[in-house]
Amino acid sequence: EPEVTQTPSHQVTQMGQEVILRCVPISNHLYFYWYRQILGQKVEFLVSFYNNEISEKSEIFDDQFSVERPDGSNFTLKIRSTKLEDSAMYFCASSERIGYTFGSGTRLTVV
Amino acid sequence: AQKVTQAQTEISVVEKEDVTLDCVYETRDTTYYLFWYKQPPSGELVFLIRRNSFDEQNEISGRYSWNFQKSTSSFNFTITASQVVDSAVYFCALSEEGGNNRKLIWGLGTSLAVNP
Repeated sequence: EPEVTQTPSHQVTQMGQEVILRCVPISNHLYFYWYRQILGQKVEFLVSFYNNEISEKSEIFDDQFSVERPDGSNFTLKIRSTKLEDSAMYFCASSERIGYTFGSGTRLTVV
Repeated sequence: AQKVTQAQTEISVVEKEDVTLDCVYETRDTTYYLFWYKQPPSGELVFLIRRNSFDEQNEISGRYSWNFQKSTSSFNFTITASQVVDSAVYFCALSEEGGNNRKLIWGLGTSLAVNP
């Protein structure tokens, strides 16, 4: 069964550093999403991406964040100048239309 | 605006008990989709079910069953004869049709502890 692959599974970074979280979505999917889950809290929508453009971004997704498809297959979330409160699980998901396939997540710890 | 409410923050049961997790949603769309996900302690999100707004039939899958009632905007999830392996956080989520963004709106989750 096709999978969404996220790397790394766990990343520890120092406050102020930049991190790049990577996702390989399912190849024929058209819709891509990033979600965040702060430990013990609910899952929050960050950004959606369709046809190589951002289709919607949440209030959380400020100038600190950016998304790219650098090579047409990988899908990255970049967090510039990380803060302690960016510590969370980050999930990538892809969708053909209405079903979602989630990656296993990247646990980001900012120290 | 869309909203998903899971009023039960934590539930604790003894193995073999039945347990129902409540989910109430709000949307102005006539076409929408409802989901349940399980998040075990390992952290991944495990898809359980998707239901579209035009299909109010209840669904049963093994020990799991779902009751969708549009009249009360609810999509409740029942685990029959619970087992320790059912211990997890369960999320209800809503997605609306239309446009190029079908993001999921999530409830706060219900943490279920099944004790031996």
